[in-house]
This record gives sequence, structure tokens and C-alpha cells, in this order.
Amino acid sequence: AQRVTQPEKLLSVFKGAPVELKCNYSYSGSPELFWYVQYSRQRLQLLLRHISRESIKGFTADLNKGETSFHLKKPFAQEEDSAMYYCALPPDNQGGKLIFGQGTELSVKP
Amino acid sequence: DTGVSQDPRHKITKRGQNVTFRCDPISEHNRLYWYRQTLGQGPEFLTYFQNEAQLEKSRLLSDRFSAERPKGSFSTLEIQRTEQGDSAMYLCASSLGFPPGTQYFGPGTRLLVL
Repeated sequence: AQRVTQPEKLLSVFKGAPVELKCNYSYSGSPELFWYVQYSRQRLQLLLRHISRESIKGFTADLNKGETSFHLKKPFAQEEDSAMYYCALPPDNQGGKLIFGQGTELSVKP
Repeated sequence: DTGVSQDPRHKITKRGQNVTFRCDPISEHNRLYWYRQTLGQGPEFLTYFQNEAQLEKSRLLSDRFSAERPKGSFSTLEIQRTEQGDSAMYLCASSLGFPPGTQYFGPGTRLLVL
């Protein structure tokens, strides 16, 4: 069964430190993967998607099929990056439902 | 505001009562999704529509839950005979159907069943 695992519930770093939020998945085939973010008191919103290969707000994510991972990285964390981050994948790549991980809370301290 | 909207934002009800939530998607989006999120968990898929057709329902969606999208625009999610375990945030999202598009989420309806 398709599954998304985010092993860390909370990640706390200091401003300017590198950040890596882990995401592992189980999926047969070539997955489309997403990172969604939820800032305090705001709605869930897309941060980036694998297929776009973009860097958004300094974040990047590389799909590693060998390790079945899609870790989110940023070289220098900012306080405004503090939020809940969710990794997600559509199990059928047909534009249907998303399966989300449990989420990682990122706390960036000054 | 042209984003996804949900109403009400908060609902407190007593066990056994029926509740109904409404979602208005982004106007040109033909797909509409419902998710449920409990504390400390990511959103869990409940059901989704393409236009007015309900294409998939999760096994999480018991017989007490029903969703409609009668004219392919707004959608309603009804929970009958609510239970305390139904307490959660109910999220709605919409997207373009093809190619598989980004899902845009509403602010959610927080339900508390006493």
C-alpha cells in the first residue's frame, strides 16, 4: 500500500542553520510528490512539487528513488520558516486524493 | 477572495445531532476533495468529486457520512448521528482535474462533538 512517512514530529533549529525535513514513501512506480506547508493560523498550501523541480522560499527537494525519499532542504533557515510541513503523494497519479504524512513541525529559533 | 471557502469555520454540537458543512471551491476547478485532520496527524482523504460525480470514497467514510456536489460547484458534507470520535478539522480542497493539478485548500471547519 502507498504510504508516506515523516519520522520527525518536531525539528528545532537556530536561525541560519541548515534544515532537512525527512520524507520517505512507499510506492510502486514513479511517484509525483508534494510538500505542503501550514503557517500559524493559515491554510494548508503547496510549497513545492517534485515535477516542477523549483526552489520555493529557498527550499528544494530531490526525489531519490533508490532510498524512496523526498527530503525537504534549506541551507539557511529563517524564523519565518517555522510551520508544519507535510509530505504527500497521489497514489494513482490521476489527479485524485493525496496521501499525507503525519507532518513535521519546524521551529526556527532566533 | 477567490480561494476555497468553507462554512462554518467552527461547529460545536452534541452527540447524536446531525451537522452539515459547505465548501465553495475555486470557480474553474472541476475537482473537489474532502479530508479530515485530527490532532497530530496529517489530513486523511474522505472523498472527492469530479464535477458532480463522486469518484471515490474512503473506507473511513462510514454510512453516517454523506457528501454531495449537486451542480458541480459547491459541495456539502453531512454527518448524521455525530459521535465524539467525529471531532476533527474537516478540510476541503479543489483542483483542476487534468493534468493532475495542485490542490488548493480551504481554511477548514473545526467540529467538536460533546
